[in-house]
Amino acid sequence: QKEVEQDPGPLSVPEGAIVSLNCTYSNSAFQYFMWYRQYSRKGPELLMYTYSSGNKEDGRFTAQVDKSSKYISLFIRDSQPSDSATYLCAFTGGFKTIFGAGTRLFVKA
Amino acid sequence: GAVVSQHPSWVICKSGTSVKIECRSLDFQATTMFWYRQFPKQSLMLMATSNEGSKATYEQGVEKDKFLINHASLTLSTLTVTSAHPEDSSFYICSARTGENVLTFGAGSRLTVL
Repeated sequence: QKEVEQDPGPLSVPEGAIVSLNCTYSNSAFQYFMWYRQYSRKGPELLMYTYSSGNKEDGRFTAQVDKSSKYISLFIRDSQPSDSATYLCAFTGGFKTIFGAGTRLFVKA
Repeated sequence: GAVVSQHPSWVICKSGTSVKIECRSLDFQATTMFWYRQFPKQSLMLMATSNEGSKATYEQGVEKDKFLINHASLTLSTLTVTSAHPEDSSFYICSARTGENVLTFGAGSRLTVL
């Protein structure tokens, strides 16, 4: 079983849609949960970061963590064409950070 | 916020030559930096952890003699791909830990070996 599972997509939605991106993990030692956004041919940039179960909101983005189910989600409200990118979930437990495979999102105008 | 600068952003070289990629922390000191490799449509693969003033720690399967890492100062780490071959063509990204367990990434360097 992989430590992190993330559907690579691609996921195509119309502008204004609510997007749900998900990852599952198996390592109970993970303590920090992150979402990164990566535009084509660029380095990843941090979107959301949390360390507890529950929801964390930042503008149109909501990160959700369910430690009991080992499941995290990123919700994007009112999606925009500029949100088109690859979204990577990431987990840290100890020194290393483990990344999901990334989900490619396309938001159509 | 913390900025990690990576240079060059893209490079083309002939097979057999060596290429150096620089990673700088612009407004903070980074005792540890991380080097990743990313193939098209795939996730980030950690290659090595660069430690200031000491040897890098390489991940299993990464050739330390091919991918030379030097972290001579608290703001600069370099990755040198030696005797590059076409299979080394990839997107290389560095990062540094900023804040609490958060990684800040450089913009990446795309290497094409002809």
